[in-house]
Amino acid sequence: EVQLVQSGAEVKKPGESLRISCKGSGYSFTSYWISWVRQMPGKGLEWMGRIDPSDSYTNYSPSFQGHVTISADTSISTAYLQWSSLKASDTAMYYCARHFSSLLYVFDIWGQGTMVTVSS
Amino acid sequence: EIVMTQSPATLSVSPGERATLSCRASQSVSSNLAWYQQKPGQAPRLLIYGASTRATGIPARFSGSGSGTEFTLTISSLQSEDFAVYYCQQYNNWPGTFGQGTKLEIK
Repeated sequence: EVQLVQSGAEVKKPGESLRISCKGSGYSFTSYWISWVRQMPGKGLEWMGRIDPSDSYTNYSPSFQGHVTISADTSISTAYLQWSSLKASDTAMYYCARHFSSLLYVFDIWGQGTMVTVSS
Repeated sequence: EIVMTQSPATLSVSPGERATLSCRASQSVSSNLAWYQQKPGQAPRLLIYGASTRATGIPARFSGSGSGTEFTLTISSLQSEDFAVYYCQQYNNWPGTFGQGTKLEIK
């Protein structure tokens, strides 16, 4: 079965760092891009950025550029989303999603989501 | 950035009836339009891409149409499991942008 399994919920304080993960299985991890999508409480979906696991090339939405970093470790088929200094406004559900096809920002497989809560 | 506008925000329909959801793009996205379904507490699920192609495993009661700036998702005969939030997304221009969603609720 093709799936993406994300790490568990996190509760952090403002200013702390965090890395969440997304492990792919059932397919060739390096053959499909992975994106991260944010969903703030009660709100819609926002594309944050993506990585090509085959060469670690990334690009980011201007709204998230410089605030998050996306990376991947192909040896364990895992993509990461990390923050160096969290803000309360980072409180949200974060999904990783597999691109249906390279160059297309259509997402056919989604992780179950990781809830990040940032509160003092 | 292309702005996607969905209407209505909430749609109340009885089981067995047809539901029609609309999505408008602020400029042409050709047929590079996808629809997703999201149920409470779940991740989104891809329904339609290329404006009208059903994703793997999606029932035939879901259909998409349109091109350019006007798109429609039609659910021909609503089942109980179809009540959810639906998002459209354009992927013609980078970055791909989502609509704000239409909540389909039981009437």
